[in-house]
Amino acid sequence: EPEVTQTPSHQVTQMGQEVILRCVPISNHLYFYWYRQILGQKVEFLVSFYNNEISEKSEIFDDQFSVERPDGSNFTLKIRSTKLEDSAMYFCASREIAGQQVQFFGPGTRLTVL
Amino acid sequence: QQQVKQSPQSLIVQKGGISIINCAYENTAFDYFPWYQQFPGKGPALLIAIRPDVSEKKEGRFTISFNKSAKQFSLHIMDSQPGDSATYFCAAMISNFGNEKLTFGTGTRLTIIP
Repeated sequence: EPEVTQTPSHQVTQMGQEVILRCVPISNHLYFYWYRQILGQKVEFLVSFYNNEISEKSEIFDDQFSVERPDGSNFTLKIRSTKLEDSAMYFCASREIAGQQVQFFGPGTRLTVL
Repeated sequence: QQQVKQSPQSLIVQKGGISIINCAYENTAFDYFPWYQQFPGKGPALLIAIRPDVSEKKEGRFTISFNKSAKQFSLHIMDSQPGDSATYFCAAMISNFGNEKLTFGTGTRLTIIP
């Protein structure tokens, strides 16, 4: 069964460093998302991406964040200068077509900022 | 107005019992209500979903009850099993043919005891 994959599973970084989280969405999916989950809290929407551009972003997704689909398979989230409060699980999700509401989530990347 | 409120925060149910988790929303524009199941270290996985034009949807041991006038919906797990022990998130979405984002509840940690 096709699934969303994410790498790395765990990333430890120093405050102020740049990190890139990688996702490979399901191959025929067209809509991509990043969500995050701070430990013990709810899952929060960060950004949606379609047709090589951001569709919507939350207030969390400030200028330190960016997303990219560098090729036909990868979808990346970059945090330019990490803060302690960026420590969280980051989930990538993808969806097939317009009108198909189901979003499939990857296993997540645990980001720890020291 | 974008919030989805979920209760209880944690729930302990005896094996074979019925687990009930409740959610409430304010935004009447929401038109898709999924429940996600999350095991430790994994991403959320879609369990069952409902649209507001029906009052109930059943899939195996899992049932969503939906009360449009009260703006509430609930997940019922019949004959609860130890393997059902997980965190459950309700969510809501506005179908916008491209910009759909999930708004999650705060989660319920369900423990099924023998």
